[in-house]
Amino acid sequence: DIQMTQSPPSVSASIGDRVTITCRASQGIGDRLAWYQQKSGKAPVLIYVASSLQSGVPSRFSGSGSGTDFTLTISSLQPEDFATYYCQQSESFPQTFGQGTKVEIK
Amino acid sequence: EVQLVESGGGLVKPGGSLRLSCAASGFTFIDAWMSWVRQTPGKGLEWVGRIKSKVNGGTTDYAAPVEGRFTISRDDSKNTLYLQMDSLKTEDTAVYYCTWLRSHAGRNFFDNWGQGTLLTVSS
Repeated sequence: DIQMTQSPPSVSASIGDRVTITCRASQGIGDRLAWYQQKSGKAPVLIYVASSLQSGVPSRFSGSGSGTDFTLTISSLQPEDFATYYCQQSESFPQTFGQGTKVEIK
Repeated sequence: EVQLVESGGGLVKPGGSLRLSCAASGFTFIDAWMSWVRQTPGKGLEWVGRIKSKVNGGTTDYAAPVEGRFTISRDDSKNTLYLQMDSLKTEDTAVYYCTWLRSHAGRNFFDNWGQGTLLTVSS
């Protein structure tokens, strides 16, 4: 199985900060990567697939990368962005997720 | 609006069985590929299995840890997805999510999720 490694495991940031989360695949996955946001006690929500922001997701979110290294950036952190973010690859079966990055309030 | 509503979770002893259900609405269920994904504090999000639409064969695939013990099925007349879990182990304890598995340009992703149902396997 392809291993997905996210870093950092958690990040403490303030409103307005720029936050970058990294996801690394154990082998090349092209651009077959998705990002999810999960708020406490809720189900994950799809926010990004490859280079496409999902409908309704604010433009302060952006994703980049290909091959093995990917990033999700929040350009100006807002109160509603405090959550845990997961990456997921679909290059190889089974689809696998990263362990998550928790974005916390500083 | 897409809605996925799971039910059936609970407390089961090791070796026991349980069936989860997922009622779907707001999209054409008969054409949808569906998946179950589970989440534990220790292992995070883990794909459990999927079922294709009947027009694509209706076949199923499972993650290695549940292969041979879990069975995914669907009743398109009721817009309902099922997860039959047998020979349960303590490590199956998790929140189980029903998801709509979408595909675009070779990328598969979980587009909509239910609220989740908790399975606890304990003696």
